Amino acid sequence: EAGVTQFPSHSVIEKGQTVTLRCDPISGHDNLYWYRRVMGKEIKFLLHFVKESKQDESGMPNNRFLAERTGGTYSTLKVQPAELEDSGVYFCASSQALADGQETQYFGPGTRLLVL
Amino acid sequence: GEDVEQSLFLSVREGDSSVINCTYTDSSSTYLYWYKQEPGAGLQLLTYIFSNMDMKQDQRLTVLLNKKDKHLSLRIADTQTGDSAIYFCAESISGTYKYIFGTGTRLKVLA
Repeated sequence: EAGVTQFPSHSVIEKGQTVTLRCDPISGHDNLYWYRRVMGKEIKFLLHFVKESKQDESGMPNNRFLAERTGGTYSTLKVQPAELEDSGVYFCASSQALADGQETQYFGPGTRLLVL
Repeated sequence: GEDVEQSLFLSVREGDSSVINCTYTDSSSTYLYWYKQEPGAGLQLLTYIFSNMDMKQDQRLTVLLNKKDKHLSLRIADTQTGDSAIYFCAESISGTYKYIFGTGTRLKVLA
């Protein structure tokens, strides 16, 4: 079974440009999450989709970030316009609830974004 | 508030045991997780423990949870050079789906 995949693996852009990150969750997982790790710091939650609906977007830094999950399958995270402080590793994760209530999140390899 | 803390670095000799520690503040956590990130790779789930358990063992890995002190540890027995990586602890909070992560502990295994 394929894991969570993310594209691109790396992106280098200039300040002011737009970048779109893509995440394909594990097939059948309704829950999809975006997280970000800024250099050397903790991994921080950005938002959570249940199918195509945004369940929790409390971690989104500001309105330069737009996440979508049309059709409830893959998701995109667009940063427009990008700023220097947006540099970091963006992780996507997906999960599906188990009968015991436990819901492990499986993470993708991340997209390393560098804004110059 | 929600906060998870870890020490930043740990260095051990090959064959020794490694103990990576983590403290958390939110008493409503349900599950606690350990993830491993190798250089250039994503987050790999190592193990998890339910918050009403004290210990969980999985081959070379032992997780200990002290709920009173809100302290979680990961012990790696017979540490190998392939165990060199960043180890993140994370907690899931009751009533939410998001994980709260620590800063990660970089483990370096010396041959």
